[in-house]
Formats: sequence, C-alpha cells, structure tokens
Amino acid sequence: GAGVSQTPSNKVTEKGKYVELRCDPISGHTALYWYRQSLGQGPEFLIYFQGTGAADDSGLPNDRFFAVRPEGSVSTLKIQRTERGDSAVYLCASSTRWDTEAFFGQGTRLTVV
Amino acid sequence: GNSVTQMEGPVTLSEEAFLTINCTYTATGYPSLFWYVQYPGEGLQLLLKATKADDKGSNKGFEATYRKETTSFHLEKGSVQVSDSAVYFCALNINTDKLIFGTGTRLQVFP
Repeated sequence: GAGVSQTPSNKVTEKGKYVELRCDPISGHTALYWYRQSLGQGPEFLIYFQGTGAADDSGLPNDRFFAVRPEGSVSTLKIQRTERGDSAVYLCASSTRWDTEAFFGQGTRLTVV
Repeated sequence: GNSVTQMEGPVTLSEEAFLTINCTYTATGYPSLFWYVQYPGEGLQLLLKATKADDKGSNKGFEATYRKETTSFHLEKGSVQVSDSAVYFCALNINTDKLIFGTGTRLQVFP
C-alpha cells in the first residue's frame, strides 16, 4: 500500500475484554514499531520488530500486552484483560531498517470503558 | 535517563509571524534529533532531523540546529502559514531502534 495502514481506526471495548489491533506496514519495510500515545503526551515506544522477530520489547508495560508479526509483514498488537488505563492511541510505524526514517500510520484510538 | 522537553502549547500566531518552538534534551551519549509533525487527521510525519552537533536540519521553511552546548534543538520558521497549524513533536534517538518523544506543542496559525 501507499502508507502504513492501521485497523480499526477506533475501538471501544469493555474493561476486562481482549482486543487486537492490526498494522499493515509499507511493502518491503522490514522494521516495524508500535508506540502508545496517551492524551496530552508524546508517543511512547512499545516494541520493535525486525522481520518476524521482536528485537526489542522493552517498552511493553506488562504481560497483558503482546505483539506478533508471523510473516514479517502484518503485525498484531494484542491486549488481554484491558484496563481503563490502556485507553490511548496506538501508533504503528515501519521503515526499511532500524536506522532509517520511520513512517507512521494514523493510529488506532482505543477506549476502554 | 534520556528525555526530551519541549515548550507547552498552544502557540498561537498570526500568518507570516516568526515561529520558535523550544526543545531541549537529556541524553547519555550522542543522540540524533528529530522534529515530527502531526497535521489534523493525519499520521506523524518526519519534518527534519540532525544527526550530529552543529548540523542544521531544514524542510518546508522550517529549520532546527543541533546545539550540543545548550542541549537544544529549537524549531524555527520565518513566516508561518495557516497550513502549518499542527502538533509538533521533538524526539531523539541514540543508536537504537526507539524514538523518545517530547509531549508535543500545538501550533495554531490564524489568517
């Protein structure tokens, strides 16, 4: 595609439910990143994939958060037992490699009620 | 730790006014510095960057100079336009995969 695509654009879920957020990176980009942006804050790093493997998951806040990228393209961020504090915009970005420009998607706005 | 501090907004200007958005950083090592912009309804876009001290990044009339002595990377534009209204994020990266962002500064330009 022309850019990084994230679906859904908005997600409302009840506290305690499980959610999946999807990211389609730019074709051919091997590096993929997830960030979380809370209201009034800048994006905070969650996880970085190089190809299929998570090269750096140091930003995941706890074990309720997990991400996969099984074929080195599409990635899914999974959140178990959602809490109201998980409400934020989740951003995905991709790049040709870790030290080149990252292109961001428009994000998924997650609201936990 | 590594962090970025940028001025709080909103910054409100009339068209053709001069813009400065301040950004300072704290880093262990030698970071690369970035300005990202988020226009309404769009994703974050890289506006400009500088990878070493005294480098000047520039794009679309915006400029920022990497000042190691003051640990700053202030964003400037000589004459803003209504279309520059957006949220601007300063960020750094230290030879790693992750960007560390400031909290963002909203710019509002009125005709």
